[in-house]
Amino acid sequence: QSALTQPASVSGSPGQSITISCTGTSSDVGGYNYVSWYQQHPGKAPKLMIYEVSNRPSGVSNRFSGSKSGNTASLTISGLQAEDEADYYCSSYTSSSTPLVFGGGTKLTVL
Amino acid sequence: EVQLVESGGGLVKPGGSLRLSCAASGFTFSSYSMNWVRQAPGKGLEWVSSISSSSSYIYYADSVKGRFTISRDNAKNSLYLQMNSLRAEDTAVYYCARGLPPDYWGQGTLVTVSS
Repeated sequence: QSALTQPASVSGSPGQSITISCTGTSSDVGGYNYVSWYQQHPGKAPKLMIYEVSNRPSGVSNRFSGSKSGNTASLTISGLQAEDEADYYCSSYTSSSTPLVFGGGTKLTVL
Repeated sequence: EVQLVESGGGLVKPGGSLRLSCAASGFTFSSYSMNWVRQAPGKGLEWVSSISSSSSYIYYADSVKGRFTISRDNAKNSLYLQMNSLRAEDTAVYYCARGLPPDYWGQGTLVTVSS
């Protein structure tokens, strides 16, 4: 049940684009198109931003996009806004004995 | 509107027990798998346990296997987590979350294990 690997932090200026990576294995990220991304502001519950690699739930800004290549998934946020400053977590379905694994989280700072 | 409301958290001594509840509303509870996910203070999200819609399939993280028991009552639209033999490292906010992958999350309930 190893966690997926994410950078501890990323930063960008308002209006810029940033990308957060999420690296797993062929048993999770690489093996299934069931990668999700969550945004979490301090003291709040996580919010689903992307599901099944690249799909946005209703109400999520189209500034958020997801993709995957091999064992690495990515979340891109374009046109950075101050409100995007938060922690971001990836998750994936896994073929191990447990159905779900999370990444360690990435703190996004908007400069 | 989907709502998930956790309750039952609190302060408990190491080795003690606690039962968390999650009251669901705004959707057909019996049609969805449900999960418990926890977050230790200042740490990331950790998946704890999942249960299928009819309770046929149940999964646990290795860190809680044998100590925690997930269950649900579809007639009461409720999800539960019985936590026994609690350890200091179980201290966390426990979230109830709908579906796999989780799409809606409750606000969480804090469990503190300390003497």
